[in-house]
Amino acid sequence: QKEVEQDPGPLSVPEGAIVSLNCTYSNSAFQYFMWYRQYSRKGPELLMYTYSSGNKEDGRFTAQVDKSSKYISLFIRDSQPSDSATYLCAMSLAQAGTALIFGKGTTLSVSS
Amino acid sequence: DAGVIQSPRHEVTEMGQEVTLRCKPISGHNSLFWYRQTMMRGLELLIYFNNNVPIDDSGMPEDRFSAKMPNASFSTLKIQPSEPRDSAVYFCASSSTLAGESSLSDTQYFGPGTRLTVL
Repeated sequence: QKEVEQDPGPLSVPEGAIVSLNCTYSNSAFQYFMWYRQYSRKGPELLMYTYSSGNKEDGRFTAQVDKSSKYISLFIRDSQPSDSATYLCAMSLAQAGTALIFGKGTTLSVSS
Repeated sequence: DAGVIQSPRHEVTEMGQEVTLRCKPISGHNSLFWYRQTMMRGLELLIYFNNNVPIDDSGMPEDRFSAKMPNASFSTLKIQPSEPRDSAVYFCASSSTLAGESSLSDTQYFGPGTRLTVL
């Protein structure tokens, strides 16, 4: 079993839809959870960052962490064509320069 | 700030040749990471440095791969000899780590990547 599992998609939705992206993980010691967005032929960029369990909201984006289920989610409200990208979940045991373990990424396409 | 700079952006070489990828981290960052991304395996960490010292190289696939960080503003990833299965996009990322603090200061900023094709 891989440490981090993520459905690669692709996921296609119409503009304005609510999008749910998910990852599961096996290592209960993970403490920091992140979502990166990667546009085609670009490097990943940090979108959301959460420590331990709970929710975090930033504009149209909400990140949820359920450590008891080893499950994290990213919700995108009112999706826009500019949200079309690959979304990668990432997690680490501790911050301060430690390694991130990435999911393979889910490719999202939002049509206008 | 110019962000993380990687060169070359594209590299096409023949099997058996030596390949050197270069990275300039963001000024002031003290951690540097090399990743490889393929469709099959996703984004994998190869090696990372903290204050120019290699901390974990367990992701380096084999002895053909080596990485150096001679100073805080430069790192190289070398493949010798290269093989077709090394074809991938190689990313460098850097971060500024403040030990003991839980903050976004350790966000990893990625460069644009080097797309390597080994024929």
